[in-house]
Amino acid sequence: NAGVTQTPKFQVLKTGQSMTLQCAQDMNHNSMYWYRQDPGMGLRLIYYSASEGTTDKGEVPNGYNVSRLNKREFSLRLESAAPSQTSVYFCASRLTGVNTEAFFGQGTRLTVV
Amino acid sequence: GENVEQHPSTLSVQEGDSAVIKCTYSDSASNYFPWYKQELGKGPQLIIDIRSNVGEKKDQRIAVTLNKTAKHFSLHITETQPEDSAVYFCAPGGGGGADGLTFGKGTHLIIQP
Repeated sequence: NAGVTQTPKFQVLKTGQSMTLQCAQDMNHNSMYWYRQDPGMGLRLIYYSASEGTTDKGEVPNGYNVSRLNKREFSLRLESAAPSQTSVYFCASRLTGVNTEAFFGQGTRLTVV
Repeated sequence: GENVEQHPSTLSVQEGDSAVIKCTYSDSASNYFPWYKQELGKGPQLIIDIRSNVGEKKDQRIAVTLNKTAKHFSLHITETQPEDSAVYFCAPGGGGGADGLTFGKGTHLIIQP
């Protein structure tokens, strides 16, 4: 049982380049989330998807887009990377409903130069 | 949305001593109160949670206490060990709002040998 899998683990981009961070879960969860983690800022929600076919903005959505490809996969796209998007990105998932444990991937460390 | 504050941001204790981390929240309808632990280089992982019909829950050396009137809950770790060194996050929720999962900014717990 792999849980939540994120790819890639590390990435370096030049300013203006685009890329997609991939996330997949094998726990049949309905809800999926993307966070960024910066020193002293905790985990800030970028986008989430409460179910297949729906997505909603979180606290810091600017500069990002998401796609809930199917129930398993939730991708995060940076169309034109900026140095301010240098961060560690985490994907998470949980069962439908708010009183349930969230499971996290191992993270993607992204550096934009 | 839920406003979450955690204190302290950094806590240093001697090995064997106890540690207490406090989380305050704003949504009086919140009814689920989890604590997550994040070890270096990994994603956060649930260590203990409590629901609003319970005032305290223990699991070996860790416990969570809830004060719904004052809108805060606390993580207690007794007989601290080196492996307790990590960042701890609270994520109160279940208030019936959007499905977004909001975390506190985290507490860096350092266990001094």
